[in-house]
Amino acid sequence: NAGVTQTPKFQVLKTGQSMTLQCAQDMNHNSMYWYRQDPGMGLRLIYYSASEGTTDKGEVPNGYNVSRLNKREFSLRLESAAPSQTSVYFCASSGVGGVRVEQYFGPGTRLTVT
Amino acid sequence: KQEVTQIPAALSVPEGENLVLNCSFTDSAIYNLQWFRQDPGKGLTSLLLIQSSQREQTSGRLNASLDKSSGRSTLYIAASQPGDSATYLCAVLSNSGYALNFGKGTSLLVTP
Repeated sequence: NAGVTQTPKFQVLKTGQSMTLQCAQDMNHNSMYWYRQDPGMGLRLIYYSASEGTTDKGEVPNGYNVSRLNKREFSLRLESAAPSQTSVYFCASSGVGGVRVEQYFGPGTRLTVT
Repeated sequence: KQEVTQIPAALSVPEGENLVLNCSFTDSAIYNLQWFRQDPGKGLTSLLLIQSSQREQTSGRLNASLDKSSGRSTLYIAASQPGDSATYLCAVLSNSGYALNFGKGTSLLVTP
């Protein structure tokens, strides 16, 4: 049972480039999330999807877009990367009961924007 | 906005000691509280989840308590081991939201 998987693990972008971070879960969870983790800031929610077909903004959505492709997959897109988006990105999911139950996290994507 | 604070920021103890990590939050209207472990360069591993109606949860050598009215939670680790060395994160889900609000963590080092 793989849980929550993320690709890629590491990425270096130049300012202005675009990329998509992929996330998939195999736990049949309804809800999925994207967080970013910055030193001294803790983890902050970027976007979430309470259920398949819905997405909503979190605390820091600017500069990002998301797609809930199906129940398993939730992708995060940076259209024009900026140095301020250098961070570690975590995808998470939560199961039956939706957003108000235990969240499980993936291993993270470490992104550097130069 | 819910603010979550963890004290201490860092802690070093010798192997075998019992220890307590503290977490406080400003808004007592929470749905649940979750404790995580994060190893360097890795993701978050869920340790314990406490629902707002519960007072404590136990898993092995770990015990987490919740006092919602005072806005506090503690994570008790019994008989610490070097393998417990990691950063421990406290996160709160408020009644009004969908995002976990995280503290900045306590970095624990258990020395042999």
